[in-house]
Amino acid sequence: DSGVTQTPKHLITATGQRVTLRCSPRSGDLSVYWYQQSLDQGLQFLIQYYNGEERAKGNILERFSAQQFPDLHSELNLSSLELGDSALYFCASSPGTSNTIYFGEGSWLTVV
Amino acid sequence: LAKTTQPISMDSYEGQEVNITCSHNNIATNDYITWYQQFPSQGPRFIIQGYKTKVTNEVASLFIPADRKSSTLSLPRVSLSDTAVYYCLVGDRPKAAGNKLTFGGGTRVLVKP
Repeated sequence: DSGVTQTPKHLITATGQRVTLRCSPRSGDLSVYWYQQSLDQGLQFLIQYYNGEERAKGNILERFSAQQFPDLHSELNLSSLELGDSALYFCASSPGTSNTIYFGEGSWLTVV
Repeated sequence: LAKTTQPISMDSYEGQEVNITCSHNNIATNDYITWYQQFPSQGPRFIIQGYKTKVTNEVASLFIPADRKSSTLSLPRVSLSDTAVYYCLVGDRPKAAGNKLTFGGGTRVLVKP
Protein backbone atom coordinates (compact mmCIF):
# COMPACT_ATOMS: atom_id res chain seq x y z
CA ASP A 1 0.00 0.00 0.00
CA SER A 2 1.61 3.22 -1.21
CA GLY A 3 -0.61 5.44 0.91
CA VAL A 4 -2.05 7.16 -2.17
CA THR A 5 -5.80 6.63 -2.51
CA GLN A 6 -7.71 6.96 -5.74
CA THR A 7 -11.44 6.82 -6.29
CA PRO A 8 -13.34 5.44 -8.05
CA LYS A 9 -11.43 2.29 -8.91
CA HIS A 10 -13.60 1.58 -11.93
CA LEU A 11 -15.86 3.82 -13.94
CA ILE A 12 -17.88 3.21 -17.08
CA THR A 13 -19.44 6.16 -18.82
CA ALA A 14 -20.75 7.20 -22.20
CA THR A 15 -19.13 9.39 -24.82
CA GLY A 16 -19.73 13.07 -24.30
CA GLN A 17 -20.02 12.73 -20.54
CA ARG A 18 -17.90 14.26 -17.80
CA VAL A 19 -16.22 12.45 -14.91
CA THR A 20 -14.14 13.42 -11.92
CA LEU A 21 -11.34 11.28 -10.56
CA ARG A 22 -10.19 11.88 -7.02
CA CYS A 23 -6.81 11.42 -5.38
CA SER A 24 -5.72 11.62 -1.77
CA PRO A 25 -1.93 11.84 -1.54
CA ARG A 26 0.24 10.26 1.13
CA SER A 27 0.12 12.04 4.43
CA GLY A 28 2.40 15.05 4.28
CA ASP A 29 3.07 14.91 0.55
CA LEU A 30 2.67 18.28 -1.13
CA SER A 31 3.11 17.23 -4.76
CA VAL A 32 0.50 15.41 -6.79
CA TYR A 33 1.02 14.05 -10.28
CA TRP A 34 -1.52 12.68 -12.74
CA TYR A 35 -0.69 10.11 -15.42
CA GLN A 36 -2.67 8.38 -18.13
CA GLN A 37 -1.89 4.86 -19.29
CA SER A 38 -3.81 3.40 -22.20
CA LEU A 39 -3.84 -0.31 -22.92
CA ASP A 40 -0.31 -1.52 -23.59
CA GLN A 41 0.95 2.04 -23.63
CA GLY A 42 3.43 3.83 -21.48
CA LEU A 43 2.71 6.29 -18.73
CA GLN A 44 1.82 9.70 -20.11
CA PHE A 45 2.47 12.58 -17.74
CA LEU A 46 -0.53 14.89 -17.58
CA ILE A 47 -0.01 17.48 -14.87
CA GLN A 48 1.63 18.19 -11.52
CA TYR A 49 0.51 20.28 -8.58
CA TYR A 50 2.50 21.42 -5.60
CA ASN A 51 0.74 22.73 -2.51
CA GLY A 52 -2.27 23.82 -4.50
CA GLU A 53 -0.49 25.36 -7.45
CA GLU A 54 0.01 23.95 -10.92
CA ARG A 55 3.73 23.43 -11.43
CA ALA A 56 4.18 21.32 -14.56
CA LYS A 57 2.03 20.40 -17.50
CA GLY A 58 2.40 17.54 -19.90
CA ASN A 59 0.31 16.49 -22.85
CA ILE A 60 -2.97 17.14 -21.12
CA LEU A 61 -5.93 17.73 -23.40
CA GLU A 62 -7.92 20.94 -23.12
CA ARG A 63 -10.94 18.80 -22.24
CA PHE A 64 -9.10 17.70 -19.10
CA SER A 65 -8.47 19.85 -16.07
CA ALA A 66 -7.21 19.30 -12.57
CA GLN A 67 -6.87 21.07 -9.28
CA GLN A 68 -5.37 20.53 -5.87
CA PHE A 69 -7.34 21.64 -2.86
CA PRO A 70 -6.15 23.19 0.43
CA ASP A 71 -6.32 19.79 2.11
CA LEU A 72 -3.95 18.60 -0.68
CA HIS A 73 -6.31 16.16 -2.30
CA SER A 74 -6.59 16.50 -6.05
CA GLU A 75 -9.22 15.97 -8.69
CA LEU A 76 -8.85 15.29 -12.39
CA ASN A 77 -11.84 16.35 -14.45
CA LEU A 78 -12.38 14.75 -17.84
CA SER A 79 -15.10 16.21 -20.04
CA SER A 80 -16.61 15.58 -23.47
CA LEU A 81 -15.31 12.07 -23.16
CA GLU A 82 -14.29 10.13 -26.24
CA LEU A 83 -13.68 6.43 -26.72
CA GLY A 84 -9.94 7.09 -26.83
CA ASP A 85 -10.01 8.46 -23.31
CA SER A 86 -10.52 4.95 -22.00
CA ALA A 87 -7.45 4.30 -19.90
CA LEU A 88 -6.01 3.77 -16.46
CA TYR A 89 -5.48 7.09 -14.72
CA PHE A 90 -2.86 7.17 -12.01
CA CYS A 91 -2.27 9.68 -9.32
CA ALA A 92 1.09 9.85 -7.59
CA SER A 93 2.44 11.95 -4.77
CA SER A 94 5.77 12.99 -3.36
CA PRO A 95 7.02 15.28 -0.61
CA GLY A 96 8.02 17.74 -3.33
CA THR A 97 11.71 17.58 -2.59
CA SER A 98 12.30 14.15 -4.06
CA ASN A 99 11.75 12.63 -7.45
CA THR A 100 10.72 9.42 -5.75
CA ILE A 101 7.00 9.37 -6.28
CA TYR A 102 4.40 6.99 -4.93
CA PHE A 103 1.57 5.82 -7.13
CA GLY A 104 -1.99 4.95 -6.30
CA GLU A 105 -3.72 1.89 -7.71
CA GLY A 106 -5.32 3.88 -10.47
CA SER A 107 -8.81 4.57 -11.73
CA TRP A 108 -9.99 2.49 -14.65
CA LEU A 109 -12.08 4.60 -17.01
CA THR A 110 -14.03 2.94 -19.77
CA VAL A 111 -15.86 5.16 -22.24
CA VAL A 112 -18.54 3.39 -24.26
CA LEU B 1 14.69 15.37 -17.63
CA ALA B 2 17.50 13.53 -19.35
CA LYS B 3 16.36 11.24 -22.15
CA THR B 4 16.72 7.57 -21.36
CA THR B 5 17.03 4.50 -23.56
CA GLN B 6 16.23 0.99 -22.35
CA PRO B 7 15.76 -2.34 -24.11
CA ILE B 8 12.13 -2.96 -24.96
CA SER B 9 12.03 -6.45 -23.50
CA MET B 10 14.10 -9.15 -21.84
CA ASP B 11 13.43 -12.79 -21.08
CA SER B 12 14.93 -14.69 -18.19
CA TYR B 13 14.44 -17.84 -16.15
CA GLU B 14 13.69 -18.32 -12.51
CA GLY B 15 16.76 -18.14 -10.32
CA GLN B 16 18.81 -16.14 -12.79
CA GLU B 17 20.12 -12.63 -12.35
CA VAL B 18 18.57 -10.02 -14.58
CA ASN B 19 20.50 -6.91 -15.56
CA ILE B 20 18.75 -4.02 -17.30
CA THR B 21 20.87 -1.21 -18.64
CA CYS B 22 19.57 2.30 -19.14
CA SER B 23 21.48 4.83 -21.26
CA HIS B 24 21.29 8.48 -20.30
CA ASN B 25 24.06 10.23 -22.19
CA ASN B 26 22.94 13.76 -21.36
CA ILE B 27 22.59 13.26 -17.62
CA ALA B 28 23.16 16.49 -15.71
CA THR B 29 25.34 16.98 -12.66
CA ASN B 30 22.40 17.21 -10.28
CA ASP B 31 20.43 14.32 -11.77
CA TYR B 32 19.60 11.18 -9.84
CA ILE B 33 18.73 7.81 -11.37
CA THR B 34 15.54 6.14 -10.19
CA TRP B 35 14.02 2.80 -11.16
CA TYR B 36 10.40 1.80 -10.89
CA GLN B 37 8.62 -1.53 -11.34
CA GLN B 38 5.11 -1.84 -12.72
CA PHE B 39 2.89 -4.91 -12.68
CA PRO B 40 -0.09 -5.07 -15.04
CA SER B 41 -2.95 -2.82 -13.98
CA GLN B 42 -1.03 -1.48 -11.00
CA GLY B 43 0.77 1.76 -10.33
CA PRO B 44 4.55 1.81 -10.66
CA ARG B 45 6.47 1.07 -7.50
CA PHE B 46 9.78 2.64 -6.50
CA ILE B 47 12.64 0.14 -6.52
CA ILE B 48 15.90 1.98 -6.06
CA GLN B 49 17.60 5.32 -6.55
CA GLY B 50 21.23 6.31 -6.89
CA TYR B 51 23.62 9.05 -7.87
CA LYS B 52 26.95 7.28 -8.42
CA THR B 53 28.81 4.00 -7.86
CA LYS B 54 26.65 1.28 -6.38
CA VAL B 55 23.47 1.22 -4.34
CA THR B 56 21.93 -1.93 -2.93
CA ASN B 57 18.71 -2.59 -1.09
CA GLU B 58 16.68 -5.65 -0.25
CA VAL B 59 15.19 -5.78 -3.74
CA ALA B 60 17.89 -4.80 -6.21
CA SER B 61 21.26 -3.27 -6.90
CA LEU B 62 22.00 -0.25 -9.02
CA PHE B 63 25.37 0.12 -10.68
CA ILE B 64 26.42 3.52 -11.99
CA PRO B 65 29.80 3.94 -13.74
CA ALA B 66 31.99 6.94 -13.13
CA ASP B 67 30.80 8.85 -16.22
CA ARG B 68 27.13 8.27 -15.15
CA LYS B 69 26.04 8.00 -18.79
CA SER B 70 24.38 4.69 -18.10
CA SER B 71 23.13 2.65 -15.19
CA THR B 72 22.32 -1.01 -14.66
CA LEU B 73 19.55 -2.36 -12.50
CA SER B 74 20.38 -5.82 -11.23
CA LEU B 75 17.67 -8.16 -9.96
CA PRO B 76 19.21 -11.16 -8.21
CA ARG B 77 17.68 -14.62 -8.52
CA VAL B 78 14.42 -13.57 -10.15
CA SER B 79 11.18 -15.39 -9.64
CA LEU B 80 8.02 -15.53 -11.72
CA SER B 81 6.63 -12.66 -9.66
CA ASP B 82 9.36 -10.37 -10.96
CA THR B 83 7.70 -10.37 -14.38
CA ALA B 84 6.92 -6.69 -14.86
CA VAL B 85 7.85 -3.54 -16.72
CA TYR B 86 10.87 -1.70 -15.34
CA TYR B 87 11.30 2.04 -15.89
CA CYS B 88 14.43 4.12 -15.58
CA LEU B 89 14.03 7.81 -14.76
CA VAL B 90 16.75 10.41 -14.65
CA GLY B 91 16.22 13.83 -13.16
CA ASP B 92 17.04 16.37 -10.53
CA ARG B 93 15.33 16.32 -7.21
CA PRO B 94 12.68 19.00 -7.53
CA LYS B 95 12.74 21.86 -5.08
CA ALA B 96 9.04 22.53 -5.07
CA ALA B 97 9.39 23.54 -8.68
CA GLY B 98 7.59 21.84 -11.48
CA ASN B 99 8.90 18.47 -12.47
CA LYS B 100 7.60 16.59 -15.47
CA LEU B 101 8.56 13.15 -14.24
CA THR B 102 8.28 11.53 -17.63
CA PHE B 103 8.54 7.79 -17.93
CA GLY B 104 10.03 6.24 -21.05
CA GLY B 105 8.83 3.03 -22.61
CA GLY B 106 10.35 0.80 -19.96
CA THR B 107 11.73 -2.71 -20.25
CA ARG B 108 9.27 -5.58 -20.20
CA VAL B 109 10.89 -8.44 -18.26
CA LEU B 110 9.40 -11.90 -18.62
CA VAL B 111 10.59 -14.53 -16.15
CA LYS B 112 9.99 -18.06 -17.33
CA PRO B 113 9.81 -21.20 -15.19
